[in-house]
Amino acid sequence: GENVEQHPSTLSVQEGDSAVIKCTYSDSASNYFPWYKQELGKRPQLIIDIRSNVGEKKDQRIAVTLNKTAKHFSLHITETQPEDSAVYFCAASRPTGNQFYFGTGTSLTVIP
Amino acid sequence: GAGVSQSPSNKVTEKGKDVELRCDPISGHTALYWYRQRLGQGLEFLIYFQGNSAPDKSGLPSDRFSAERTGESVSTLTIQRTQQEDSAVYLCASSWTGGVSEKLFFGSGTQLSVL
Repeated sequence: GENVEQHPSTLSVQEGDSAVIKCTYSDSASNYFPWYKQELGKRPQLIIDIRSNVGEKKDQRIAVTLNKTAKHFSLHITETQPEDSAVYFCAASRPTGNQFYFGTGTSLTVIP
Repeated sequence: GAGVSQSPSNKVTEKGKDVELRCDPISGHTALYWYRQRLGQGLEFLIYFQGNSAPDKSGLPSDRFSAERTGESVSTLTIQRTQQEDSAVYLCASSWTGGVSEKLFFGSGTQLSVL
């Protein structure tokens, strides 16, 4: 089955700096890659996603890039703010089957 | 309802007891997932329901775990003879049709503690 690895497990940045979280996947058939944000004590929520037919997607301060050849994708947060502090999970999904394979999460702390 | 609802929010039980966790998906969502989140870990897939199709149980860790869903509504996850390693947050999620690139809507989870 699919195996998703996520790095780093923890990340601290100064407010205003950029943060990058990287994920790799093993199954070349995976074609959908969402990112979920889980604030402390709250439920995970989708913040951005990318499909395998594009290489990059942006939404304000958040961007995701995908390299299908290398089987890795990354989340980029620019001009970080304290409210960006949370655990971020990447995931991969194949066109068949019903599972989302999640990474182990990155705990991001933005220091004011 | 406004979102996915799970109950109880917290459950403390003794080793060997059975527990039942409940999930109310968003009305109209035909797909429902259960995930387990151990402390500091990722989301571990347990089971998936889609409409009236046979559920995908491939993620259930042992035969002590089972889940049911009534039509396209409430689901219950049952853990029999609980063990300490079952301690985790159990998250339920739903989506409209379970399509590959569909957004998952998560509940706030049930924190299970097995003493």
